[in-house]
Amino acid sequence: GENVEQHPSTLSVQEGDSAVIKCTYSDSASNYFPWYKQELGKGPQLIIDIRSNVGEKKDQRIAVTLNKTAKHFSLHITETQPEDSAVYFCAAAIYGNNRLAFGKGNQVVVIP
Amino acid sequence: DGGITQSPKYLFRKEGQNVTLSCEQNLNHDAMYWYRQDPGQGLRLIYYSQIVNDFQKGDIAEGYSVSREKKESFPLTVTSAQKNPTAFYLCASSGSNQPQHFGDGTRLSIL
Repeated sequence: GENVEQHPSTLSVQEGDSAVIKCTYSDSASNYFPWYKQELGKGPQLIIDIRSNVGEKKDQRIAVTLNKTAKHFSLHITETQPEDSAVYFCAAAIYGNNRLAFGKGNQVVVIP
Repeated sequence: DGGITQSPKYLFRKEGQNVTLSCEQNLNHDAMYWYRQDPGQGLRLIYYSQIVNDFQKGDIAEGYSVSREKKESFPLTVTSAQKNPTAFYLCASSGSNQPQHFGDGTRLSIL
């Protein structure tokens, strides 16, 4: 089955700096890659997703890039704010197949 | 408001006891899922259901059971056969070719 790995496990950034989280996946058939943000005591919330027919997608301060050849995709958060502090999960799936394979999560800490 | 409601928020289980976690959605989604989250382990799929009266085992189904008698409801029973049930349990749902959306979880602990 699909195996998704996330790096680094914890990331601390100064407020206003950028944060980058990278994920790798193993199954070349995967073509759908969502990112979720989880705050303490809450369920994960979808923040952005990308399909393999594009290499980059942006939504305000958040962007995701995909390198299909290398089988990795990254989340970029620019101009970080304290409310960006959370655990971020990447996932991979074959589009239309509802079985998501999740990474283990990254704790992002934004230092005011 | 449309969404996914999990209850209770906290649940305690005694040894040898079965407990049932509730998940209800009013998003008219066909598919529903149960995940288990442990510290540092990410989300692991327990069971999922793509349509009423049908469900499939996920990666860690042993010690758990589910039913899907109504489209909006997908309860999870943690049986006494699950020897390490302490975890954060998350329910999700999705429409056709749509992302999964999650509830706010139930935290299960052993007394």
